[in-house]
Amino acid sequence: SQQGEEDPQALSIQEGENATMNCSYKTSINNLQWYRQNSGRGLVHLILIRSNEREKHSGRLRVTLDTSKKSSSLLITASRAADTASYFCAAGGGADGLTFGKGTHLIIQP
Amino acid sequence: EPEVTQTPSHQVTQMGQEVILRCVPISNHLYFYWYRQILGQKVEFLVSFYNNEISEKSEIFDDQFSVERPDGSNFTLKIRSTKLEDSAMYFCASSERQYSNQPQHFGDGTRLSIL
Repeated sequence: SQQGEEDPQALSIQEGENATMNCSYKTSINNLQWYRQNSGRGLVHLILIRSNEREKHSGRLRVTLDTSKKSSSLLITASRAADTASYFCAAGGGADGLTFGKGTHLIIQP
Repeated sequence: EPEVTQTPSHQVTQMGQEVILRCVPISNHLYFYWYRQILGQKVEFLVSFYNNEISEKSEIFDDQFSVERPDGSNFTLKIRSTKLEDSAMYFCASSERQYSNQPQHFGDGTRLSIL
């Protein structure tokens, strides 16, 4: 399967600091997506990076993709308390559905 | 902003009973999905649906499960003869197109508790 696996499993930082989460996957991909899940809520799409892209930005989010290492990272700059959530990378999609990792639980300390 | 809505938010059912989980996808979306998240585990794909038929289904989606789009707005997941291990969060999602480069929009889920 095109599993995504995130690390670390949990991350606690001070507000204003940057948070970096990593994701590894097993098979070749066309693109990789990142989602956020607030406690008790559904997943929210954050950003998609295509296999021919190396870096992509969206606001305070920066995603990188290294297809040779089958890995991606999500950087959140200038973190805020509202960024506290679980973050998931997801491979696949389309008719086959998305394959998610276990996620990184991010806690932003005020 | 349009969103996917799911009802009920929490369903408690006796083992062996049938349960129907309901979803209203975003109105102009054509592709629909169900996912499951057992407490503490990954979100897992169950089934994708397009043009009133199943596109793909995972190994989890056995004969106990069925999906239906009974009208122009609702998309349902039926679980027959529920088991204890069916206890999980069930998420509905929709996308405008069924390509892997399309973001999927998720509802807030239904927490299913089997007693």
